Amino acid sequence: NAGVTQTPKFRILKIGQSMTLQCTQDMNHNYMYWYRQDPGMGLKLIYYSVGAGITDKGEVPNGYNVSRSTTEDFPLRLELAAPSQTSVYFCASSYSLNEQFFGPGTRLTVL
Amino acid sequence: ELKVEQNPLFLSMQEGKNYTIYCNYSTTSDRLYWYRQDPGKSLESLFVLLSNGAVKQEGRLMASLDTKARLSTLHITAAVHDLSATYFCAVLSGAGSYQLTFGKGTKLSVIP
Repeated sequence: NAGVTQTPKFRILKIGQSMTLQCTQDMNHNYMYWYRQDPGMGLKLIYYSVGAGITDKGEVPNGYNVSRSTTEDFPLRLELAAPSQTSVYFCASSYSLNEQFFGPGTRLTVL
Repeated sequence: ELKVEQNPLFLSMQEGKNYTIYCNYSTTSDRLYWYRQDPGKSLESLFVLLSNGAVKQEGRLMASLDTKARLSTLHITAAVHDLSATYFCAVLSGAGSYQLTFGKGTKLSVIP
């Protein structure tokens, strides 16, 4: 099992550009999550999904969108990138409310 | 709004010593998680504590949960250098919630 995979690992965007962060899990988990981690801070939840076709906002959803068309994939879309979105983004998955398994992260810089 | 506070935020300790990291949270929750993060790496699950009085141990780490006091502790016994990392606690945001609220993390450095 690869677990949770994320692409890309690193990305630099210019202000106003858009991009999609990819996340895939092969553990057949029903729940998936997107977090951002700013330097020296804990993680903040952006969006989550409890199953294919179901998504909901977390603590910091502004500037982001998600979709979940399959159990395995949970892409995060950034529209009109801003410097405040410079962060490390982690995708995670879990079976119900059990422990979450995290991907390796995407380090995003917006200049 | 759920608040999760960890202390200390920074901890430098000598090998062989014992210490405890504290995690306080502000509203009722009966599920608490501990994660470890190495520098530049992802998060690794350590413990999931499901009920009042729950205690779990893995190697030199032991976690406990007191839901009445809204407090969890992560106790480190006879620290070794390999335990150097940042430790996060995270709390489920109430009944029926799917959201975890994380503390800011405790950066542990174990010095030989």
